[in-house]
Amino acid sequence: NAGVTQTPKFRILKIGQSMTLQCTQDMNHNYMYWYRQDPGMGLKLIYYSVGAGITDKGEVPNGYNVSRSTTEDFPLRLELAAPSQTSVYFCASSPGQGHYNEQFFGPGTRLTVL
Amino acid sequence: KNEVEQSPQNLTAQEGEFITINCSYSVGISALHWLQQHPGGGIVSLFMLSSGKKKHGRLIATINIQEKHSSLHITASHPRDSAVYICAVNSGGSNYKLTFGKGTLLTVNP
Repeated sequence: NAGVTQTPKFRILKIGQSMTLQCTQDMNHNYMYWYRQDPGMGLKLIYYSVGAGITDKGEVPNGYNVSRSTTEDFPLRLELAAPSQTSVYFCASSPGQGHYNEQFFGPGTRLTVL
Repeated sequence: KNEVEQSPQNLTAQEGEFITINCSYSVGISALHWLQQHPGGGIVSLFMLSSGKKKHGRLIATINIQEKHSSLHITASHPRDSAVYICAVNSGGSNYKLTFGKGTLLTVNP
């Protein structure tokens, strides 16, 4: 199993450009998450999904959109990129059954907006 | 005040030393997680616990629910243990959403 994969690994955007960060998991997990990690700060939840067709906002959703058309894929869309969106983005998944799910993280995407 | 506080923020040790990283939280939780992040690398889950103590190799995690406190111990530390260690909690009745601490940067010198 590849686990959770993310593309691209690095990206530089100009202000106002848009892009989609891809995330795929092959563990048949129901729950998927997008986080951003800023220097000196804890990970912040952007959006999450508890199953195909179901998404919900996390702590910092402004400027982002998501969709979940399949169990495997959970892309994150940035519209009109701003310097404040410069960060490292992590996708994660968890099984969704039972209690206290362990989360499995992708390798991250380092995004710079200039 | 953050819901999850870690101490210290930075820790430097010599190889072989016993390491302790602390995590305090201010809310009721259902579980606490310890994660490891190597420089420039991804994030790996080390432990998930809701009571007592867990051990995996040289790593030991403990939690005291009454005191709202957890510790991560590393015995016989090694330079490959150098990483950021992150504490996170399931709170608010959620068994899947996590609230994260800012992390502790551990450097183990040979």
